[in-house]
Amino acid sequence: DGGITQSPKYLFRKEGQNVTLSCEQNLNHDAMYWYRQDPGQGLRLIYYSQIVNDFQKGDIAEGYSVSREKKESFPLTVTSAQKNPTAFYLCASSIGGDAPGQYFGPGTRLTVT
Amino acid sequence: SQKIEQNSEALNIQEGKTATLTCNYTNYSPAYLQWYRQDPGRGPVFLLLIRENEKEKRKERLKVTFDTTLKQSLFHITASQPADSATYLCALDVAGGYNKLIFGAGTRLAVHP
Repeated sequence: DGGITQSPKYLFRKEGQNVTLSCEQNLNHDAMYWYRQDPGQGLRLIYYSQIVNDFQKGDIAEGYSVSREKKESFPLTVTSAQKNPTAFYLCASSIGGDAPGQYFGPGTRLTVT
Repeated sequence: SQKIEQNSEALNIQEGKTATLTCNYTNYSPAYLQWYRQDPGRGPVFLLLIRENEKEKRKERLKVTFDTTLKQSLFHITASQPADSATYLCALDVAGGYNKLIFGAGTRLAVHP
């Protein structure tokens, strides 16, 4: 089955620790994205990548880092510099260019205490 | 400032009626607008896209309109069913058609039997 997987579904960390969220896709999509979703707010773009070995900051990149070494994988690291890391994190992919629609993973709910 | 607004109050309707959800935006000139469905605790699912030069798009029981003068999109679900209950998100492409999306906060729809 083609799709996007995110792991784990729930993640708990202590404040001050870095944590990496996994995102893998087997859709052969060029573009991948990371969003965070907070209650009552829309999805906010953290980082996106249109092609392997290239990525751009989104609207709220501070305190986050990414890599895109393989087409299938786009891991997100939430660093200790992120002031409010507790959120629902969503990874998505798309064919890229002007092709419509993004395909989302199931999300990872990160809780930092 | 740039804003995307969706009605934050839940929309409650009777089964069989038409649900109409609104998406208004300011200070954007999107190449196209997309609608997604999101169930609790899950990633959004792409439903429909409408381009700036299209007035209306249909898919089965779904219909989307796009008025670039009013800066508004309407999303209709005809013959609604309890299974249509979910949060519906609108998203604008703000990168000239390169699938970099800005999302509204969504409107929750509840269809009652």
